[in-house]
Amino acid sequence: KAGVTQTPRYLIKTRGQQVTLSCSPISGHRSVSWYQQTPGQGLQFLFEYFSETQRNKGNFPGRFSGRQFSNSRSEMNVSTLELGDSALYLCASGSGAQETQYFGPGTRLLVL
Amino acid sequence: AQSVTQPDIHITVSEGASLELRCNYSYGATPYLFWYVQSPGQGLQLLLKYFSGDTLVQGIKGFEAEFKRSQSSFNLRKPSVHWSDAAEYFCAVAQRQGAQKLVFGQGTRLTINP
Repeated sequence: KAGVTQTPRYLIKTRGQQVTLSCSPISGHRSVSWYQQTPGQGLQFLFEYFSETQRNKGNFPGRFSGRQFSNSRSEMNVSTLELGDSALYLCASGSGAQETQYFGPGTRLLVL
Repeated sequence: AQSVTQPDIHITVSEGASLELRCNYSYGATPYLFWYVQSPGQGLQLLLKYFSGDTLVQGIKGFEAEFKRSQSSFNLRKPSVHWSDAAEYFCAVAQRQGAQKLVFGQGTRLTINP
């Protein structure tokens, strides 16, 4: 089976812009979670989608949003980018039950 | 709220030496427990997990971890490290009910001396 894929792998944006990141889960997985990784805050949970519904959300401002499509692919959007949004954004997929999450390679976002 | 503590930010060991990375968690019940490894610029790779049963779990790359309920710990061990083990290691917990959400420790960076 192919692993979790994320596109693009690298992005450079400027403050105030918006960005959309994409994640394709492992075939058959219906849960997609997003995490932000920064040197200062470490790995932090953003949100989780299961069967096109957001099931859980972390403590991030409303500028961070996501959605999931019927084929389980997910997108994450960040509007009005700030310098502090520079991070590695990781997507993970799982079966939806309380089981293992498998991570993609991440999208590295740099906000200038 | 759940939390995970990895007391060692950075550990250096010699190639061939044994390794133990510490992980303590705070949670009302026994959570699911995981160890992930991250090489520079890469995503997270699952090393091993504990859900229930035998408290000593075996993982990939020769790693093992032991769950100790009384100490709320889930320490990662390897008898003999290889230069390729240099990476950052993350301990994580997940609740047993509800939506999938991992809570991570701050990570331990492992350096291997030749």
